[in-house]
Amino acid sequence: DTGVSQDPRHKITKRGQNVTFRCDPISEHNRLYWYRQTLGQGPEFLTYFQNEAQLEKSRLLSDRFSAERPKGSFSTLEIQRTEQGDSAMYLCASSRPGLAGGEQYFGPGTRLTVT
Amino acid sequence: RKEVEQDPGPFNVPEGATVAFNCTYSNSASQSFFWYRQDCRKEPKLLMSVYSSGNEDGRFTAQLNRASQYISLLIRDSKLSDSATYLCVVNQGAQKLVFGQGTRLTINP
Repeated sequence: DTGVSQDPRHKITKRGQNVTFRCDPISEHNRLYWYRQTLGQGPEFLTYFQNEAQLEKSRLLSDRFSAERPKGSFSTLEIQRTEQGDSAMYLCASSRPGLAGGEQYFGPGTRLTVT
Repeated sequence: RKEVEQDPGPFNVPEGATVAFNCTYSNSASQSFFWYRQDCRKEPKLLMSVYSSGNEDGRFTAQLNRASQYISLLIRDSKLSDSATYLCVVNQGAQKLVFGQGTRLTINP
């Protein structure tokens, strides 16, 4: 399967701990996105990379959140000093040049629970 | 006001029925429009793009009214496998997708 993969699939952490999630996009896709989804809501945009450049960040992305894509391939999303409000599904998506802006391929997500 | 508004449902319809969903968006500068489908505990998947002229893909028809900032999805001859949440999605440019809350659909046998 050459789809978008995310690791871990589930993470339970205590409030105040740091967590890091990884996303591996589809290999020929140069665009990578992070979204957050809570129960009963649609995904909310967090940030977007084209190759290794982070081109847009949502104001949802507080200073406790940081995302990187150092070599333009996989990406990591780190949350420092987690809070209970960070509990959500974190989704990664990728797309390639030439596709319509909305044609994004999503990974299975990392479900974060902060206790 | 939410940027993309949808009736969350749930919609419960019998197999074979026709069902329609609507959504409105607030940003008149929005550039492109889509419907995504999300099955329970799964990731969203692109169902279809929505064009100003309207477009059809099998049993699915999508329409866009830019003047009213309104998007619709029609499903004909619904199947049990159509049960899912349908997300209305707007691209505001710079690759930023804005998702609606989603409309939950259950097709009953």
